Amino acid sequence: DTAVSQTPKYLVTQMGNDKSIKCEQNLGHDTMYWYKQDSKKFLKIMFSYNNKELIINETVPNRFSPKSPDKAHLNLHINSLELGDSAVYFCASSRTTGVGETQYFGPGTRLLVL
Amino acid sequence: GEDVEQSLFLSVREGDSSVINCTYTDSSSTYLYWYKQEPGAGLQLLTYIFSNMDMKQDQRLTVLLNKKDKHLSLRIADTQTGDSAIYFCAASGTYKYIFGTGTRLKVLA
Repeated sequence: DTAVSQTPKYLVTQMGNDKSIKCEQNLGHDTMYWYKQDSKKFLKIMFSYNNKELIINETVPNRFSPKSPDKAHLNLHINSLELGDSAVYFCASSRTTGVGETQYFGPGTRLLVL
Repeated sequence: GEDVEQSLFLSVREGDSSVINCTYTDSSSTYLYWYKQEPGAGLQLLTYIFSNMDMKQDQRLTVLLNKKDKHLSLRIADTQTGDSAIYFCAASGTYKYIFGTGTRLKVLA
């Protein structure tokens, strides 16, 4: 029944490793997003995909590579993890990219890089 | 660039009203949102207002919008301990939301 789900919920890993976070939505939405929330709770958009095509890439290091195999999934792969990547990553979806479309958020993935 | 600002903390007594304020810079934002984040959880949409409205009420929640001053507020009537959370306002932009810094509401019993 979960509308937007993410796995894993927690991820603890060493610096330099490569890891992936998965997101799935069962709302039939066309648009999906990745946000990063830092330790001060500031929330910033990273990427947005519409119908599997990248439409927003907000000056995120190219170690971060989103992949959308289909409209219902948007995964985030991170290479060569750094300490500063520790954060909570939220996936979200909306019906379309239209202005005013409500975004629905997943529960978050808490990433800790040691 | 686009910016959304909120005060970081608010503390109220149970039963009182809470007012959380937000200012934004992008006058083209057509929708403005309030989200609630409880500890360890994701963001839950509380309510939103279209920019041609100046007020919206939904049970204990009242949203006021002053478009001229680009000021948005969320009033929670009869605040309960379960309302303790971080409240984010967000302005809709092209393809994306701009989130405020979040206001941590603490409700004292």
